[in-house]
Order: sequence, then C-alpha cells, then structure tokens
Amino acid sequence: QQQVKQSPQSLIVQKGGISIINCAYENTAFDYFPWYQQFPGKGPALLIAIRPDVSEKKEGRFTISFNKSAKQFSLHIMDSQPGDSATYFCAASYSNYQLIWGAGTKLIIKP
Amino acid sequence: ETGVTQTPRHLVMGMTNKKSLKCEQHLGHNAMYWYKQSAKKPLELMFVYNFKEQTENNSVPSRFSPECPNSSHLFLHLHTLQPEDSALYLCASSHSQGAGGRDTQYFGPGTRLTVL
Repeated sequence: QQQVKQSPQSLIVQKGGISIINCAYENTAFDYFPWYQQFPGKGPALLIAIRPDVSEKKEGRFTISFNKSAKQFSLHIMDSQPGDSATYFCAASYSNYQLIWGAGTKLIIKP
Repeated sequence: ETGVTQTPRHLVMGMTNKKSLKCEQHLGHNAMYWYKQSAKKPLELMFVYNFKEQTENNSVPSRFSPECPNSSHLFLHLHTLQPEDSALYLCASSHSQGAGGRDTQYFGPGTRLTVL
C-alpha cells in the first residue's frame, strides 16, 4: 500500500525526443508527488512537484501529468537534451509522512 | 561552502572496522536525514532528526548509529558492517520535518561505502 512503482527502469531517447517516465501508487491518501533528478556523483534534487488538485503542471520542458482515478502520474521531458541524462525518482507523501520513493529510472539521451 | 556536504566521498572498510560518516548543511535547516541508496531500489530512509531530536528510525540495524550534535551536523557511526551494507549513503536536510515529504529535501553528494 505504501509503495510507489516506477517504470521503466532505464530509458534511451534520441535528442529532441520526448522522454516519459511513469509511476503508480495505491495509497489514496497521498497528496504530494515530487520528481527528483540525480546526476552521477550528485545527490537527488527536486525537479518538479504536483498536488492532486491539478491534472498537469509544466515547468519549462518538464511536465507532470496526474491521473487521480488511475492513481498514476508521469514525467514528460519535451525536446530531450543530452544534459537531461540522469536518474529520475518519483515519490509520494501525505500529511507529515515522509516521502515514499520509486526505484528510479536511468535516462540516457543519445546525441 | 554552500548546500549539503558529506565526507568522506568514498570509504572502504572491513567488517570489523569502526568508521563514521559526516554530513554538514549550510542552509539553516532544522531537519536532517540519512538515506541508503542501492542500485535499482527506492531510496531507503534510515533516520530523521528534527531540531536535533531523532524522530524516525526505520528499523535500521544497530550497527548503524546516528548522532546529531546540532542542527547543522549529522553523523552516521558504523561498526561491524556486513557486505550487504555496501551502498551510497545520502544525507539530506529540509526546513523542518513538520511538512513531511512536502518540505523540499536538499541532498549531499553521498558517501560511497564498500564493505569488504
């Protein structure tokens, strides 16, 4: 019930393409869904986050799509660039509960 | 230095050794966290300190012992570790723990630990 399932485990996308990473959850109490980005040799850093009262949030080339009825949310990276190559983690939390993390997706953007 | 720093960046230790990991945050935050990151697994929250008080211990074996002398420093003391403890250990901080995961966590670069 407390798990967040993330897919795919790894993803290769051509430069300029759209990268899509998906996450699914079971606990309907979750009310905060962030995405963190981690570059090699660095710790994760918050990229973008969404609450369930909106279906989409966009920041530059990064968009979170949220489907409350399906209990799924996804990260879309438009016009993917080699500098976007990183590991992406989705997560979820509610109230003052700590983050429940997905297992991560290693994204490689091919030039 | 700014942000969250961790030392050492790499550590190799035998199973009978005692070592300590250090984390320091320069962000004025009140909550600090230890996470274990293993390949292809979700980040595992180990310990949380809020205003120097330990508020969470996620069933971590006693061979890991945290210490938080003040809101800026966090240590993880290691003794008699097992090879399966080899992982990247991440420290993070946030403004406070009260908002749970909604309080943005700022991570250090981690300590890559290898237990032989």
